[in-house]
Amino acid sequence: DQQVKQNSPSLSVQEGRISILNCDYTNSMFDYFLWYKKYPAEGPTFLISISSIKDKNEDGRFTVFLNKSAKHLSLHIVPSQPGDSAVYFCAAQMNRDDKIIFGKGTRLHILP
Amino acid sequence: GAVVSQHPSRVICKSGTSVKIECRSLDFQATTMFWYRQFPKQSLMLMATSNEGSKATYEQGVEKDKFLINHASLTLSTLTVTSAHPEDSSFYICSARDPRRGFEQYFGPGTRLTVT
Repeated sequence: DQQVKQNSPSLSVQEGRISILNCDYTNSMFDYFLWYKKYPAEGPTFLISISSIKDKNEDGRFTVFLNKSAKHLSLHIVPSQPGDSAVYFCAAQMNRDDKIIFGKGTRLHILP
Repeated sequence: GAVVSQHPSRVICKSGTSVKIECRSLDFQATTMFWYRQFPKQSLMLMATSNEGSKATYEQGVEKDKFLINHASLTLSTLTVTSAHPEDSSFYICSARDPRRGFEQYFGPGTRLTVT
C-alpha cells in the first residue's frame, strides 16, 4: 500500500519556466515532508522540507506547498534550469526521528 | 561534509552465493544507519535500521536471516545478502545520520546487485 504517491512518472518543462511536481499521501499521521533529488548512479540528496504546521516553505528557487486537508504537497522550481533534470522523490515521516517513506519519484526533464 | 560512500558500486554474483555491501560515513560519526532497496521504477523501501553496537531493526517482510546487517563501528555498516537469488537483484542504498547534525539522513550512491 503506497502511503506516498507521485502519480506522474515524468514531467518535461521548458528551461526558464516553472516546474511543479505533485505528491499525495494517505497517512494523516505524517508530520514532516521532504523532497529529495536524485541523479543516476547517485544517492538521493535532500532538497527541501516542510513541517505539517506550515503550508509553505521557500528556499531560493524551490518552494514546497502543503495542503493538509487535501493530503497534498507540491514542489515548485522557478525558474527551471538544465541542472534540475533529475528524479525527484517526495517523502514523509511521522516525526523527524522516524523512518522516511518515499514515493516512486518523478523524472523531471528540463528542455532547452 | 556529510559524505557517505558505498562499496562496491556494482556487483554481479551467482545464485546461491553471498555478497557483502559496505556503507561508510567518511567525515562524520553515524550512530544510526539505514538500508534501503529500490526496484526499477519503484520507491526506495526501507529494509532495516541499525544503531551502532546493537542489533538492527528490520521492517516487516524483510528476512533478517537473509539480509544480515552489522554496524560494528560509528563509520561502517555492512549488509550481507546471503544465498542470493535473482529476485534479490536490486539497487541497495544506505543512509547515515549523525545526531549532532540533526535528523538529516545522508545517502550513499547505492550498489547495483545483479544475481545471475
